[in-house]
Amino acid sequence: KAGVTQTPRYLIKTRGQQVTLSCSPISGHRSVSWYQQTPGQGLQFLFEYFSETQRNKGNFPGRFSGRQFSNSRSEMNVSTLELGDSALYLCASSETSGGYNEQFFGPGTRLTVL
Amino acid sequence: AQSVTQLGSHVSVSEGALVLLRCNYSSSVPPYLFWYVQYPNQGLQLLLKYTSAATLVKGINGFEAEFKKSETSFHLTKPSAHMSDAAEYFCAVTSAGGTSYGKLTFGQGTILTVHP
Repeated sequence: KAGVTQTPRYLIKTRGQQVTLSCSPISGHRSVSWYQQTPGQGLQFLFEYFSETQRNKGNFPGRFSGRQFSNSRSEMNVSTLELGDSALYLCASSETSGGYNEQFFGPGTRLTVL
Repeated sequence: AQSVTQLGSHVSVSEGALVLLRCNYSSSVPPYLFWYVQYPNQGLQLLLKYTSAATLVKGINGFEAEFKKSETSFHLTKPSAHMSDAAEYFCAVTSAGGTSYGKLTFGQGTILTVHP
């Protein structure tokens, strides 16, 4: 099976702009989680989608949003970008939302906000 | 709330030496625990997981970890380090359902350096 894919791999934006990142999970996986990774804060959970429904959300402002499509592909959107949004954004897919199922991670999208 | 503490942000070993990366967790419900490895400019790769079966878990590349409930620990070990083990390692915790749906809580990571 193909792994988790994320597009684009690199993005450069300026403050105030918005950005959309895409994630294609492993075939058959219905759960997609998103994480932000920064040197200062480490890996932080953004949100999780299962069967097109957001089932869990981390402690991030409303500028961060996401959605999932019927084919389980997911997008996350960040509006009104701030310098502090510069980070590696990772998505991970899992067969279900059950904690016992491991999450398989994509290579990430490196977002730089200037 | 769940949390993970990884003791030592940097660990340095010689090739062939024992690798020990420490992880302590906090969870009010039975935890599921994971170790992931991240190489530069890549995503995270699962090394091993504990999901309430055997307390000694064997993973890929010769790594293993032991779940000790009394010590709330899940330390990662490898008997003999290889140069290719140099990477950043993350311990993570989650649990079944509720506020843990799809959510892994990670430690701050430990960078492993292997010297020839």
